[in-house]
Amino acid sequence: AIQMTQSPSSLSASVGDRVIISCRASQGIRNDLGWYQQKPGKAPKLLIFAASSLQGGVPSRFSGSGSGTDFTLTISSLQPEDFATYYCLQDYSYPRTFGQGTKVEI
Amino acid sequence: EVQLVESGGGLVQRGGSLRLSCAASGFSFGSTWMSWVRQAPGKGLEWVANIKEDGGEKNYGDSVKGRFTIYRDNARNLLYLKLNSLRAEDTAVYYCVRDTSVKLNTMWYDALDVWGQGTMVTVSS
Repeated sequence: AIQMTQSPSSLSASVGDRVIISCRASQGIRNDLGWYQQKPGKAPKLLIFAASSLQGGVPSRFSGSGSGTDFTLTISSLQPEDFATYYCLQDYSYPRTFGQGTKVEI
Repeated sequence: EVQLVESGGGLVQRGGSLRLSCAASGFSFGSTWMSWVRQAPGKGLEWVANIKEDGGEKNYGDSVKGRFTIYRDNARNLLYLKLNSLRAEDTAVYYCVRDTSVKLNTMWYDALDVWGQGTMVTVSS
């Protein structure tokens, strides 16, 4: 199975900060990668698919980039509602695999 | 409104079985792949399985292969997950998820775009 490694595992940031989360695949996955946001006690929410395509209704401060093995999720100006855990997911091959998550805290 | 509602979770003994259900509404259920994703308490997300629109193709995660079975009833807009030979490490919230394909230019891309609220499965030893 393809392993997905996120970094950092957690980070502290302030409102207005630019936040960058990385995700590395153990082998090339083209751009078959999605990013998901999860708040405590809630189901995850799709933010980005195909590495860089913004899901409808998601604020434009979220962006994704990368291809092959290295990917990033960027939040251009962190808002109070963005404090959550973020996961990457590869859907290049089965079994699909998630990164271990990055918790964004104040 | 597009909605997924899971049910069937509960407390079960190690080695036991359980069937989870997911009722879909607000979209053309029979025209989309569907997935199950789980999350152990305090842990990250784990993709469990998915199933093609017509049920003709199924894929499983390594940790559940041979023990869990995904299937669907398109006439009733229902998705199922049968859990057998349950272990303590199967304790988790199980989410039903719409597994959409989106065409960008000439390529198709997958996305888990609609999630249920989850149902809790607890395996006791």
